[in-house]
Amino acid sequence: AQSVTQLDSQVPVFEEAPVELRCNYSSSVSVYLFWYVQYPNQGLQLLLKYLSGSTLVKGINGFEAEFNKSQTSFHLRKPSVHISDTAEYFCAVKNSGYALNFGKGTSLLVTP
Amino acid sequence: DTGVSQDPRHKITKRGQNVTFRCDPISEHNRLYWYRQTLGQGPEFLTYFQNEAQLEKSRLLSDRFSAERPKGSFSTLEIQRTEQGDSAMYLCASSNRDSEAFFGQGTRLTVV
Repeated sequence: AQSVTQLDSQVPVFEEAPVELRCNYSSSVSVYLFWYVQYPNQGLQLLLKYLSGSTLVKGINGFEAEFNKSQTSFHLRKPSVHISDTAEYFCAVKNSGYALNFGKGTSLLVTP
Repeated sequence: DTGVSQDPRHKITKRGQNVTFRCDPISEHNRLYWYRQTLGQGPEFLTYFQNEAQLEKSRLLSDRFSAERPKGSFSTLEIQRTEQGDSAMYLCASSNRDSEAFFGQGTRLTVV
């Protein structure tokens, strides 16, 4: 069975600083990988996805992620964060089944 | 199209009562998913429909839970004899392919 580990439950960062949110997955087969963002009391919004092809994936709001098959990782990065990036971020994996399997989330807190 | 719509946004109910939630997916999407999210956790898969057929159910979906999608459009999720442990955010998502799922804003259930 596949699983997703988000290594940091909380990441505090100053505005305009770079950030990396870490995600590792366990799967023996090809996977689809996703990052979603959730603002308070809201549903989930897709930031970016990796299906195949280039391992560097660019998403919305200036985020990008790199798929590393050998390390089974899909870390999310942004070179310069804004206050408005404060939210919960979820990494998710999907292979042959129907369901997305989510990590527990990383809370990103951006302060001035 | 306004995206995935869920109703109600919030529901407070007494223990033992039945509740029903509605999800209206994006109109051209034939796949519909229900997830449950508790505080501090990522969403957990509950069930999946392709058109009107319920193709997968998680073991989280006890016999008190029932989901329907009668005409392959909107879906309902009913919880009978609610328990305090049912308190959570219930998220609906839809898609028309494996590549991504679009989420609604969720229904927050509080059982008192």
